[in-house]
Amino acid sequence: GQNIDQPTEMTATEGAIVQINCTYQTSGFNGLFWYQQHAGEAPTFLSYNVLDGLEEKGRFSSFLSRSKGYSYLLLKELQMKDSASYLCAPRGGGSYIPTFGRGTSLIVHP
Amino acid sequence: KAGVTQTPRYLIKTRGQQVTLSCSPISGHRSVSWYQQTPGQGLQFLFEYFSETQRNKGNFPGRFSGRQFSNSRSEMNVSTLELGDSALYLCASSEEGGNEKLFFGSGTQLSVL
Repeated sequence: GQNIDQPTEMTATEGAIVQINCTYQTSGFNGLFWYQQHAGEAPTFLSYNVLDGLEEKGRFSSFLSRSKGYSYLLLKELQMKDSASYLCAPRGGGSYIPTFGRGTSLIVHP
Repeated sequence: KAGVTQTPRYLIKTRGQQVTLSCSPISGHRSVSWYQQTPGQGLQFLFEYFSETQRNKGNFPGRFSGRQFSNSRSEMNVSTLELGDSALYLCASSEEGGNEKLFFGSGTQLSVL
């Protein structure tokens, strides 16, 4: 199985930067996804990392360190609409099916 | 293209009953996965279907089953419902189910009384 650890909840201020960390333990690592889920809505894809390093996409960036079993999602210039749950989902064990963490609920205050 | 469509959106059942949920993937997508989402356990993988065959299965009891039709639409069935089956059931599709991102439907919220 896979152990995935991410904070349950985080709060931040509009316009600020927030980093959501995710640590995982898995054999046969094969990439890591981040998804965003607004309350009552479907999860939507944010990013995918398979190699070490930083992937930047607009206000969102995702980092991966395979040797440390660590990833983070960086959100810049926070907006109120960024209030959502952020799901870390690594793949491993020879499967391409991602295993989802319990998610980090981000609350953005004005 | 239309997104992933799940029906019904809400469902209320009683213990012991059975339920069937439906999922229509994005046109051209052949892989359909099902997930159970609860506040305590998060998103848990149920099974994945590809070209009408179950390709992967999660750690759920046999009461949970599914199938996929030739048009890639999928159904999942839960028999002998238990209170603990109350959850949001999400369906996700992708073209081939490999390294691709998943497109999720809005889910079916099942309440078992």
